[in-house]
Amino acid sequence: GENVEQHPSTLSVQEGDSAVIKCTYSDSASNYFPWYKQELGKGPQLIIDIRSNVGEKKDQRIAVTLNKTAKHFSLHITETQPEDSAVYFCAANAGGTSYGKLTFGQGTILTVHP
Amino acid sequence: KAGVTQTPRYLIKTRGQQVTLSCSPISGHRSVSWYQQTPGQGLQFLFEYFSETQRNKGNFPGRFSGRQFSNSRSEMNVSTLELGDSALYLCASSLERVTYNEQFFGPGTRLTVL
Repeated sequence: GENVEQHPSTLSVQEGDSAVIKCTYSDSASNYFPWYKQELGKGPQLIIDIRSNVGEKKDQRIAVTLNKTAKHFSLHITETQPEDSAVYFCAANAGGTSYGKLTFGQGTILTVHP
Repeated sequence: KAGVTQTPRYLIKTRGQQVTLSCSPISGHRSVSWYQQTPGQGLQFLFEYFSETQRNKGNFPGRFSGRQFSNSRSEMNVSTLELGDSALYLCASSLERVTYNEQFFGPGTRLTVL
């Protein structure tokens, strides 16, 4: 089955810096890669996603890149703010007819210091 | 549109008991997935329901079961509870695309097994 590895497990940055989180996946049939932000006491919130036919997608301060050949994708957050502090998860869907199943990375605890 | 709702939000049970958790998806969404989140194992897929049928299943024992009703609301049941079942149980409501699902999570039900 699909395996998703996420790095780093913790990331500490100063306000205004950029943050990058990287993930690798194993199933070449995966075609959808969402990123979630989870704040304390809440469920994961979908913040951006990318499909396998796209190399990069941007939404304001957040961008995601995908390298299908290398099977890795990354989340980039620019001009970080204290409210960006949270746990971030990458995920990949399963191939074939199991596209409703997401496999998640282990999460990255992002701390943005004012 | 109202988001995904899960009830109850918190639950305390003792070993050997059974529990039923409920999930109401976003209006118009027909697919519901369930995930277990623990500090040690992270986010793990339990099962997915679409149009009252289980479409995908994760690697959990048969004590974990679910169902979906005609209005797309879903329930999951855990029988003969074990201490290791203590976790945050998350429901995700899916907007079906052609080859992938956008999944939106509820706040979760925090289950504690004593």
